[in-house]
Amino acid sequence: NAGVTQTPKFRVLKTGQSMTLLCAQDMNHEYMYWYRQDPGMGLRLIHYSVGEGTTAKGEVPDGYNVSRLKKQNFLLGLESAAPSQTSVYFCASSLPYGHEQFFGPGTRLTVL
Amino acid sequence: AQKVTQAQTEISVVEKEDVTLDCVYETRDTTYYLFWYKQPPSGELVFLIRRNSFDEQNEISGRYSWNFQKSTSSFNFTITASQVVDSAVYFCALSAPSGGYQKVTFGIGTKLQVIP
Repeated sequence: NAGVTQTPKFRVLKTGQSMTLLCAQDMNHEYMYWYRQDPGMGLRLIHYSVGEGTTAKGEVPDGYNVSRLKKQNFLLGLESAAPSQTSVYFCASSLPYGHEQFFGPGTRLTVL
Repeated sequence: AQKVTQAQTEISVVEKEDVTLDCVYETRDTTYYLFWYKQPPSGELVFLIRRNSFDEQNEISGRYSWNFQKSTSSFNFTITASQVVDSAVYFCALSAPSGGYQKVTFGIGTKLQVIP
């Protein structure tokens, strides 16, 4: 089992460029999440999904969009990247009802 | 609203010392879950423990122990005889119902440095 995988691991963008981060899990989990981690701010939830075809906003959703067309995949899109979106992005998945989350290895994104 | 406070942003200890990482939470729900995760320098996040609000038993796993006290809304984590490999950022998290979904809130983390 690969667990949770993220693609790519690193990316450098110029302001205004777009990109998509891919998260895949092979644990048949219903819930999936996208977080960003910034120094001194812990993990902040961007968007989440409680099942295939459903998504919802988290704490810091502005500037991001997501899609969950297949249960095992959760995509995070940046339509027009800004320097404020420079961060480390983590994807996670879990069973419902308060189970622990399993995290991917992270994607380090720099927006110049 | 739910909140997790980890007041200790950075702690340094000498190897073999005991260290306690504090976690204080706020929630109006009676059913909730608490977690601790470890993030070593390599960057991945690793699950350590999960506790539900009805189980106040303390737990010990090797050198790790957790003290859950509902009366003080705390879920503290103690490492006994710390080792250099314990150096990491530790996150406390709270999961509680919110609009048909289990909302998860993380603390900002405590960076632990164990000095050899």
